[in-house]
Amino acid sequence: QQQVKQSPQSLIVQKGGIPIINCAYENTAFDYFPWYQQFPGKGPALLIAIRPDVSEKKEGRFTISFNKSAKQFSLHIMDSQPGDSATYFCAASTQETSGSRLTFGEGTQLTVNP
Amino acid sequence: SQTIHQWPATLVQPVGSPLSLECTVEGTSNPNLYWYRQAAGRGLQLLFYSVGIGQISSEVPQNLSASRPQDRQFILSSKKLLLSDSGFYLCAWSRQGTYEQYFGPGTRLTVT
Repeated sequence: QQQVKQSPQSLIVQKGGIPIINCAYENTAFDYFPWYQQFPGKGPALLIAIRPDVSEKKEGRFTISFNKSAKQFSLHIMDSQPGDSATYFCAASTQETSGSRLTFGEGTQLTVNP
Repeated sequence: SQTIHQWPATLVQPVGSPLSLECTVEGTSNPNLYWYRQAAGRGLQLLFYSVGIGQISSEVPQNLSASRPQDRQFILSSKKLLLSDSGFYLCAWSRQGTYEQYFGPGTRLTVT
């Protein structure tokens, strides 16, 4: 069964800290790894994504690190702010003729204290 | 720009009642469409996806069904709701041949 395992389940950091969220996958056919940010009562928003041919991708304060041999990837949030408090989901997908089908991790609830 | 709508935003229904949730996308043609369910404090589970009008693939056998009567309209239905159908239902879309999926605002369903 295709799975994406995410940790930790919850995370509390102080403003300015660097929270790190980790994900591991099993299916080596996965070739697209996005991160989504979700605020309470809202739909998830695509934050950043990486393909397995690169080891790192940065967009603003958000960085994805990717380790293909270990089948792991992680999200780092630099200079975290209280407004970053949200639930973060990693996901993985294969591109098939029938469309992209995302498999999600269970989510990490991040709290950034002022 | 593209916009995705879902309605209703919230719904409270008794057990055994029917269900119809609607999703529409604006600003794009022939999108892939997806229905997900999110249980409280959990990840998202893919329920159905569609690559075109009348083409529906089911991921998880259950009490729900989906239909796509128009290119940019996706409907989630049930004939008889169960308590276990409660959750946050999310519709998403993607362009054909691309990976990025974009989610709607969701419908909070409570079955009592």
